[in-house]
Amino acid sequence: QQPVQSPQAVILREGEDAVINCSSSKALYSVHWYRQKHGEAPVFLMILLKGGEQKGHDKISASFNEKKQQSSLYLTASQLSYSGTYFCGTEAGGYNKLIFGAGTRLAVHP
Amino acid sequence: EAQVTQNPRYLITVTGKKLTVTCSQNMNHEYMSWYRQDPGLGLRQIYYSMNVEVTDKGDVPEGYKVSRKEKRNFPLILESPSPNQTSLYFCASSPGGDVNEQYFGPGTRLTVT
Repeated sequence: QQPVQSPQAVILREGEDAVINCSSSKALYSVHWYRQKHGEAPVFLMILLKGGEQKGHDKISASFNEKKQQSSLYLTASQLSYSGTYFCGTEAGGYNKLIFGAGTRLAVHP
Repeated sequence: EAQVTQNPRYLITVTGKKLTVTCSQNMNHEYMSWYRQDPGLGLRQIYYSMNVEVTDKGDVPEGYKVSRKEKRNFPLILESPSPNQTSLYFCASSPGGDVNEQYFGPGTRLTVT
């Protein structure tokens, strides 16, 4: 089953914060986060492993609640370069069978 | 430069005419995958491969074939394309293990008329 991402779209002013959620109906081994800019390929942001720590990447961080089978991506003090579509990908079996959510479109305006 | 390449980048074809989209990676990755991307549906995995001669179905394998005869190459074959296979296709490779980061190719936009 495809993980559910929320919200579907977010509009921000530069400097504002946002949270993107990813929820699965299955027990998860790991959660991936990717960002895709218009007309480009998705680019890896970070991976969270079962039993692992919260990750951070510049002002983008993420958490993974294994019991709730949920992950959240936190974007703080957003920049124009953060605009794009964010996808979570979940691994339940740990065999590279990655299932992506439908994506969250993020637009950051000056 | 570490990369995944796909060819062609754009393709317009007619229903029923067999086609192959090539994918190659230069990172010596064990794993490779094919995804299709459609508006509102995200990325859906078509097939994946864990090593040479080892492939398995993803979520939407119908109408597609793959082969992995060499580690670096993972072509996607559409034996008899249909209009519902019009989509944006991405190939990806990953090293496996815990941090199984996917490296995506630039994409192939396929239109079947």
